[in-house]
Amino acid sequence: DTGVSQNPRHKITKRGQNVTFRCDPISEHNRLYWYRQTLGQGPEFLTYFQNEAQLEKSRLLSDRFSAERPKGSFSTLEIQRTEQGDSAMYLCASSLRPEAFFGQGTRLTVV
Amino acid sequence: DAKTTQPPSMDCAEGRAANLPCNHSTISGNEYVYWYRQIHSQGPQYIIHGLKNNETNEMASLIITEDRKSSTLILPHATLRDTAVYYCIAPVVTGGSNYKLTFGKGTLLTVNP
Repeated sequence: DTGVSQNPRHKITKRGQNVTFRCDPISEHNRLYWYRQTLGQGPEFLTYFQNEAQLEKSRLLSDRFSAERPKGSFSTLEIQRTEQGDSAMYLCASSLRPEAFFGQGTRLTVV
Repeated sequence: DAKTTQPPSMDCAEGRAANLPCNHSTISGNEYVYWYRQIHSQGPQYIIHGLKNNETNEMASLIITEDRKSSTLILPHATLRDTAVYYCIAPVVTGGSNYKLTFGKGTLLTVNP
């Protein structure tokens, strides 16, 4: 059990570019979450997968954001046409029971 | 989620017990109380959770009042590595299995040498 892995750890992109982040959950964890955290704030829920099904999306997840979890294993979060307001830490978590285990996050900076 | 209220910051001396309070007066009968912490620049870390009985694990103890309106997380022998933001959360389960966590601003615990 190597924990939840997120790649890349850091990403700097120019405004208007597309970015994609990857999350590898703990094996056999059927639940997967994406959260976003800005400076000085607690993490905010973005979306939830149970196996491969995306069951809930926050209204924070605009149409520029899309998340997938093919085959119920790893997940990707894509942001199209990035804006400066997208700069944040993007956190992935997985769980089998109610308690969730978080990765180290991907820090996105849009310049 | 049931609204939780925590002090914004606390200090503790190294080696002493750290007692972090949380008020959750609107919690319903089937809502658990979860505690997570976040060390600077890392992802949140699960600590402990409970419903109405006191709980203890290798990291901490959780004391929940009988009326369930408040709880206290106890770190029995705080170390410098326990310096972190501690979040008290009472998630509502949606869709049958989504334990969506609503993080507030938490309590910044600073352990001093």
